[in-house]
Amino acid sequence: ETGVTQTPRHLVMGMTNKKSLKCEQHLGHNAMYWYKQSAKKPLELMFVYSLEERVENNSVPSRFSPECPNSSHLFLHLHTLQPEDSALYLCASSQGRGTGDEKLFFGSGTQLSVL
Amino acid sequence: GQNIDQPTEMTATEGAIVQINCTYQTSGFNGLFWYQQHAGEAPTFLSYNVLDGLEEKGRFSSFLSRSKGYSYLLLKELQMKDSASYLCAVRGDDYKLSFGAGTTVTVRA
Repeated sequence: ETGVTQTPRHLVMGMTNKKSLKCEQHLGHNAMYWYKQSAKKPLELMFVYSLEERVENNSVPSRFSPECPNSSHLFLHLHTLQPEDSALYLCASSQGRGTGDEKLFFGSGTQLSVL
Repeated sequence: GQNIDQPTEMTATEGAIVQINCTYQTSGFNGLFWYQQHAGEAPTFLSYNVLDGLEEKGRFSSFLSRSKGYSYLLLKELQMKDSASYLCAVRGDDYKLSFGAGTTVTVRA
């Protein structure tokens, strides 16, 4: 148990669907992240929120829309996705923005399949 | 851009030692991390190196050479539960973590 919970664990959706991924951290951290993990590829940073403000948007297509209503919750809203968006989506949190030896705490991810 | 290379797969026998190498070329350096990820689970923190040398934590050790842009993770007395993917990540000047693609280690009886 890492203190970061993601739901759902698995999601299958069509290209015209709208769905949301949810992440909750119970660690009192101030920063939250969305990463995309595709098979045999490095983790790709998508978004970073620090104190509920989006501080990083890594050239992610607009069909992915993040939301951070408070420092404990993070959402990723999905609409009109493409099959190449199928991947494991990982949420992470850290105490601060990531300086020194601050480490990330990851959730178990949502395995997304787009048909 | 950031470039982090590690082998794709390694196989070893229970009780043996395995060394996973990681080489990096990044814009600046503010530390190197190793994470372990079992299939279907969250990546979990293993080690952090910011100065040259060896850091030992039980059966796991991590080494860093900043001048060579090189690190390794050493797993000793391998156990079946060590079968997992091991991710190397480097914190650059922008303080973001850049990850390698991971090394899948399979431990055989």
